[in-house]
Amino acid sequence: NAGVTQTPKFRILKIGQSMTLQCTQDMNHNYMYWYRQDPGMGLKLIYYSVGAGITDKGEVPNGYNVSRSTTEDFPLRLELAAPSQTSVYFCASSYQALYNEQFFGPGTRLTVL
Amino acid sequence: AQTVTQSQPEMSVQEAETVTLSCTYDTSESDYYLFWYKQPPSRQMILVIRQEAYKQQNATENRFSVNFQKAAKSFSLKISDSQLGDAAMYFCAYRSATGGGATNKLIFGTGTLLAVQP
Repeated sequence: NAGVTQTPKFRILKIGQSMTLQCTQDMNHNYMYWYRQDPGMGLKLIYYSVGAGITDKGEVPNGYNVSRSTTEDFPLRLELAAPSQTSVYFCASSYQALYNEQFFGPGTRLTVL
Repeated sequence: AQTVTQSQPEMSVQEAETVTLSCTYDTSESDYYLFWYKQPPSRQMILVIRQEAYKQQNATENRFSVNFQKAAKSFSLKISDSQLGDAAMYFCAYRSATGGGATNKLIFGTGTLLAVQP
């Protein structure tokens, strides 16, 4: 099992550009999450999905969109990138929720200049 | 809303010694889970240990153990026989045990950077 994979590892965007952060898991988890980690801070939830076709907002969804067409993939779309979106982005997945451990991807470091 | 506080931005320990990282949390719920995650320079988030709030017994995983004080809303991590590989950022996290979806998100503290001196 590769676990949770994310691409790209690093990216620099100009203000106003758009991009998609890819996330794939091969553990057949139905719950998937996107977090962002700002410098010196813990992770904050952007969006989550409880299964294919079902997504919902987390704490900090503004400026982002997601889709979940398959169990494996949960891409995060940034439209009109802003400097405030400079952060490290983590994708995670778990079986259902509650007690089950969330498995994290290696993160994507995004800089918006 | 639940919050998690880690009051020690940085800690240092000598190799082979013991160190305790502090975490307090605020919640009105009675059923929840607490976690400690390790984030080494590689940025990978690694689960170190977890505790169910309904269990009185403190969780232990090899050299890692917790001191869970539910009434005081305290959840400290003890690392025994510290090793150079333990150097990392450590995050305390809370998760509700009720509901679904976003209520099951992890709520993180701001982290404690642990340095291990040889």
